[in-house]
Amino acid sequence: QQQVKQSPQSLIVQKGGISIINCAYENTAFDYFPWYQQFPGKGPALLIAIRPDVSEKKEGRFTISFNKSAKQFSLHIMDSQPGDSATYFCAAPGASGSRLTFGEGTQLTVNP
Amino acid sequence: NAGVTQTPKFRILKIGQSMTLQCAQDMNHNYMYWYRQDPGMGLKLIYYSVGAGITDKGEVPNGYNVSRSTTEDFPLRLELAAPSQTSVYFCASSYSNRNQPQHFGDGTRLSIL
Repeated sequence: QQQVKQSPQSLIVQKGGISIINCAYENTAFDYFPWYQQFPGKGPALLIAIRPDVSEKKEGRFTISFNKSAKQFSLHIMDSQPGDSATYFCAAPGASGSRLTFGEGTQLTVNP
Repeated sequence: NAGVTQTPKFRILKIGQSMTLQCAQDMNHNYMYWYRQDPGMGLKLIYYSVGAGITDKGEVPNGYNVSRSTTEDFPLRLELAAPSQTSVYFCASSYSNRNQPQHFGDGTRLSIL
């Protein structure tokens, strides 16, 4: 069974700063590593995802960095804004590529 | 577009009562999932379905049952509610289980007293 460890549990950043959230997975996995963003009272929504054949993917202020040998991937939020305040979840597929296992979440607060 | 619709949004149950959480999607997705979310614990998979008539257990299936008679609907049944089942329940769907995002509903907040 896939295990996903996410850190930190909570993060406070000043407006304009860089937010960094890390995830590590255990089992050999492939295909698809997504990050989800969740606002209070809402369900998680896909933010950005990466396939392991690339080491980095950037969409606007959000970047995923992927280190296959270390079995780690991270989310970087550049120029963090108060509107980015939310809970972020990473996820990794199981060894057979089937269903995702989610990290425990990081609560990000961006102070104005 | 409705996406994934969950009902009810909130519910309070007494210990031992039963109820069904409803989930419907209008995206013609084959895969559907039920998760529970507890504070600081992330999302734990309860059950999932790869298509109508096919369901399978996730990480935490005890105390729950599901059925999938149509592509659109995937209800979750609690037979004998216990305080440990107090949680926020999310339904999700995806086109396939590989390289495809899961689309989540807004959740059902369930308290068992």
